Amino acid sequence: DIQLTQSPSFLSASVGDTVTITCRASQGIRNYLVWFQQKPGKAPKLLIYSASTLQSGVPSRFSGSGSGTEFTLAISSLQPEDFATYYCHQLNTYPFTFGGGTTVEIK
Amino acid sequence: EVHLVESGGGLVKPGGSLRLSCAASGLTVGQAYINWVRQAPGKGLEWVGRIESKADGGFTDYGAPVKGRFTISREDSKNTVYLEMNSLRTEDTAIYYCSSGYWNYDWGQGTLVTVSS
Repeated sequence: DIQLTQSPSFLSASVGDTVTITCRASQGIRNYLVWFQQKPGKAPKLLIYSASTLQSGVPSRFSGSGSGTEFTLAISSLQPEDFATYYCHQLNTYPFTFGGGTTVEIK
Repeated sequence: EVHLVESGGGLVKPGGSLRLSCAASGLTVGQAYINWVRQAPGKGLEWVGRIESKADGGFTDYGAPVKGRFTISREDSKNTVYLEMNSLRTEDTAIYYCSSGYWNYDWGQGTLVTVSS
């Protein structure tokens, strides 16, 4: 199975900061990667698909990049509503897998 | 607008069975990829399985922890996808979500399954 390693697992940031989350795959997954945001008690929400395509309705301060084995989710000018847990997820090879998650908390 | 509603969760004893439903509106399940994802209490997301669209062959696959015990199927007349869960274990306790689309565009609200004696 393909392992996805997210880093950091936790980060503390302030409103207005720019943060970056990395997702590394144990083998190449082309660009078959998505990023989700999840808030407590809620279902995940799709932010980015195909590694870098912004889902409709998602603010442009979110961006994704990468291909192969290394991917990045960047959030510029962090807003209060962005404090949540973020997950990467690969859909290149069955069985699909998720990263362990990155929790972004208010400093 | 796509709307997904999961149901069928509840308390079940180890070794028991349960069938979850994912009722869809705004899309035709036979033409869609439908995914199941679960989340154990306080833990991260775990991929359970997927059924591909009929046009792409209707293939199903599952995560290793549930392979051989869980089965995904669909009932076109009810526009519903099912997750049949057998030989349940305590570690299957989780919120189960269904989502639609190749990239998991839309999600239901989830249904809680508790496996406990």
